[in-house]
Amino acid sequence: KAGVTQTPRYLIKTRGQQVTLSCSPISGHRSVSWYQQTPGQGLQFLFEYFSETQRNKGNFPGRFSGRQFSNSRSEMNVSTLELGDSALYLCASSLGRGGDTDTQYFGPGTRLTVL
Amino acid sequence: GENVEQHPSTLSVQEGDSAVIKCTYSDSASNYFPWYKQELGKRPQLIIDIRSNVGEKKDQRIAVTLNKTAKHFSLHITETQPEDSAVYFCAASGSYQLTFGKGTKLSVIP
Repeated sequence: KAGVTQTPRYLIKTRGQQVTLSCSPISGHRSVSWYQQTPGQGLQFLFEYFSETQRNKGNFPGRFSGRQFSNSRSEMNVSTLELGDSALYLCASSLGRGGDTDTQYFGPGTRLTVL
Repeated sequence: GENVEQHPSTLSVQEGDSAVIKCTYSDSASNYFPWYKQELGKRPQLIIDIRSNVGEKKDQRIAVTLNKTAKHFSLHITETQPEDSAVYFCAASGSYQLTFGKGTKLSVIP
């Protein structure tokens, strides 16, 4: 079974631009979560989607948004990029049936650099 | 919301020794506690997890213990090997999100 995939793997943008990242979950998984990883803050939760509905959202500004499609693939968008948005963005998928206790499997991440 | 504290932030051990990483959490409603290993430049990989109805779980050289009353859980690695060198993250799950500790960089010295 193929693992979680993310595209693109690397991105370089300038301040003020916007970016869209994509995540394809493991086949059969219906939940996708997004995390931001930085050296100073570690792994921080952005949001979680299940069956095209956002079930929870972390403490990030409204510039960070996401969506999920009927095939469970998910995208996240960051508008008006700031230097501080430079990070590794990870998505993780899980079955979604067990709710809080589902095992999450991570993708390889998208490395975003904002200049 | 949930808060997870992880200690120590760095840990160096001699090959063959044991390593212990400890985490505490704040939300008594959390009921799932996974541990991830992240090697440099790679994705976090699940190494072991424990659910709230279990006090201890073991998988070969790795074990996790959970004390729900004290709200803390620990990772134990025995007979450490150089390939165990990585950053380890604990996490607590509740309200459809994982809250992670800040990570422990483990170095195993040959």
